[in-house]
Amino acid sequence: QSALTQPPSASGSPGQSVTISCTGTSSDVGGYNYVSWYQQHPGKAPKLMIYEVTKRPSGVPHRFSGSKSGNTASLTVSGLQAEDEADYYCCSFAGSNNWVFGGGTKLTVL
Amino acid sequence: QLQLQESGPGLVKPSETLSLTCTVSGASIYRSTYYWGWIRQPPGKGLEYIATIYYSGSTYYNPSLKSRVSISVDTSKNQFSLKLNSVTAADTAVYYCEAAPGTWFDPWGQGTLVTVSS
Repeated sequence: QSALTQPPSASGSPGQSVTISCTGTSSDVGGYNYVSWYQQHPGKAPKLMIYEVTKRPSGVPHRFSGSKSGNTASLTVSGLQAEDEADYYCCSFAGSNNWVFGGGTKLTVL
Repeated sequence: QLQLQESGPGLVKPSETLSLTCTVSGASIYRSTYYWGWIRQPPGKGLEYIATIYYSGSTYYNPSLKSRVSISVDTSKNQFSLKLNSVTAADTAVYYCEAAPGTWFDPWGQGTLVTVSS
């Protein structure tokens, strides 16, 4: 299966909002409410930010939110802060106990 | 607090077998409801799902890697392991072990870089 499609980069100024998209197919993103998002700082392991499309783990700021429409999921970061600068990856269940990731989006805080 | 730590050789020769172990602390593999697995990331690239195992022995593999991958669990040592055979330079990556409490991966180990080179 192909990787999910994410924009290579996104940016915003401190305090602004930015949305990162993640496009798949009806066999993955569109077929299940099992999309998760991960934040990865350079040299670090990925950190779970959103699971099951919209749910936020304890400890993740409310500034992070997730949504889905059809075959596209989105991660929105509101009130951007400098520490939000990182790579973000989406992930979706793809059936048959398989998982597919997006190519990643580098978020820059201007 | 659940923590995972990868271990294994950092250098593997082409055509040989890559073997990694993940040691789990803060929870019992046997008694928990987590699924346990591996994800890798080639240098400068994105994440790729490899495999998952449940303590009962049920296993799940990425179809693109299934013919070369094996995942196993040792409940007595609270560890699970990955074997990837017939490696090439394309298998050079940071390998992460992770726990999946549901349809997501959390937490992850710190990752270990495995380089395939002669």
